[in-house]
Amino acid sequence: GENVEQHPSTLSVQEGDSAVIKCTYSDSASNYFPWYKQELGKGPQLIIDIRSNVGEKKDQRIAVTLNKTAKHFSLHITETQPEDSAVYFCAASLGYGQNFVFGPGTRLSVLP
Amino acid sequence: GAVVSQHPSRVICKSGTSVKIECRSLDFQATTMFWYRQFPKQSLMLMATSNEGSKATYEQGVEKDKFLINHASLTLSTLTVTSAHPEDSSFYICSVGGSSYNEQFFGPGTRLTVL
Repeated sequence: GENVEQHPSTLSVQEGDSAVIKCTYSDSASNYFPWYKQELGKGPQLIIDIRSNVGEKKDQRIAVTLNKTAKHFSLHITETQPEDSAVYFCAASLGYGQNFVFGPGTRLSVLP
Repeated sequence: GAVVSQHPSRVICKSGTSVKIECRSLDFQATTMFWYRQFPKQSLMLMATSNEGSKATYEQGVEKDKFLINHASLTLSTLTVTSAHPEDSSFYICSVGGSSYNEQFFGPGTRLTVL
């Protein structure tokens, strides 16, 4: 089955700096890769996603890149703010209606 | 995206009792809902896939007789933890599929504490 790895497990950056979180997946058939932000005691919130037919997607300060050949994808957050502090999870899925396999998560701390 | 609610948000129960958690899709008719469990400082682990009008599909290692799932309508799925024990204490989160492709939108979660 699918296996998703995520690095780093913790990341501290200064406010205004960029943060990058990387994930790798094992199943080449996976075709949908979302990123979720989870604040303490809350459910995950979808922040950006990418499909296998796209190499990069950007939404304001957040971007995701996908390398299908290498089977890895990355989350990029620019101009980080303290409110970006949270746990971020990547996931991989085989398609519509299929379950997600989540990475272990990255705890991001943005220091003021 | 879809708006998902869960009730209750927190529950504390005694060992041996049963607890029901509701997951509602407020603005989207969800034929499929997913139930996840999350232990402290860990990732989300899929427990089961809940299909409207049919039996749920459970992941390997999840006891279907202990975690009863009922998806009786397109907007409501329930998870009942039967004969709960302290090791069942966890954060339970449901999700529903989006209206296009395969996004999933998560509920706010239910914190279960079994004494």
